[in-house]
Amino acid sequence: EAGVAQSPRYKIIEKRQSVAFWCNPISGHATLYWYQQILGQGPKLLIQFQNNGVVDDSQLPKDRFSAERLKGVDSTLKIQPAKLEDSAVYLCASSPTLDYGYTFGSGTRLTVV
Amino acid sequence: GESVGLHLPTLSVQEGDNSIINCAYSNSASDYFIWYKQESGKGPQFIIDIRSNMDKRQGQRVTVLLNKTVKHLSLQIAATQPGDSAVYFCAENISPQGAQKLVFGQGTRLTINP
Repeated sequence: EAGVAQSPRYKIIEKRQSVAFWCNPISGHATLYWYQQILGQGPKLLIQFQNNGVVDDSQLPKDRFSAERLKGVDSTLKIQPAKLEDSAVYLCASSPTLDYGYTFGSGTRLTVV
Repeated sequence: GESVGLHLPTLSVQEGDNSIINCAYSNSASDYFIWYKQESGKGPQFIIDIRSNMDKRQGQRVTVLLNKTVKHLSLQIAATQPGDSAVYFCAENISPQGAQKLVFGQGTRLTINP
């Protein structure tokens, strides 16, 4: 089966600019996750979708981060305005509903300068 | 709190030796645990999982051990190869009801020396 697709692979922006990341999960996977991975750390959950509804966004900095999952398939994560500390790899993952084992995409490496 | 940690940030072993990577978790209600391997520039890749009703599970060259009494998880890799060099993360599912929610530890960097 095709994996989780993410784009772009890399992005460099200046602080206070906006940026958006895109994710296409594995076909049929109802649950989609966005994780932030700062260099040298484990991934940290930002938001979890079940179909097109948000299940958990308690760790999402909502003053600057937003995410949506149109029609329960693709998802976009946006940062506006970006801060230096947002530099990280943003990972998207998906899993079947009530099943186990995420599949991760390769991530988008964001550098804020 | 919700946290999963690793005892050692780095581990170096000789090619062909066995390696053991350890992990401590804090949520007694966690029902499912996964080990992931992450190579540079890639997303985490599933290695092996174990459910809380088991204490050992074996895969190809890998074994996961779960000790619920002390909330400890370990990954054993047998006959390590250069391709095993990566960062290894343990993760626990802290949401036994409904869609899973994985919390990751900090990771251990495994280096295989020739």
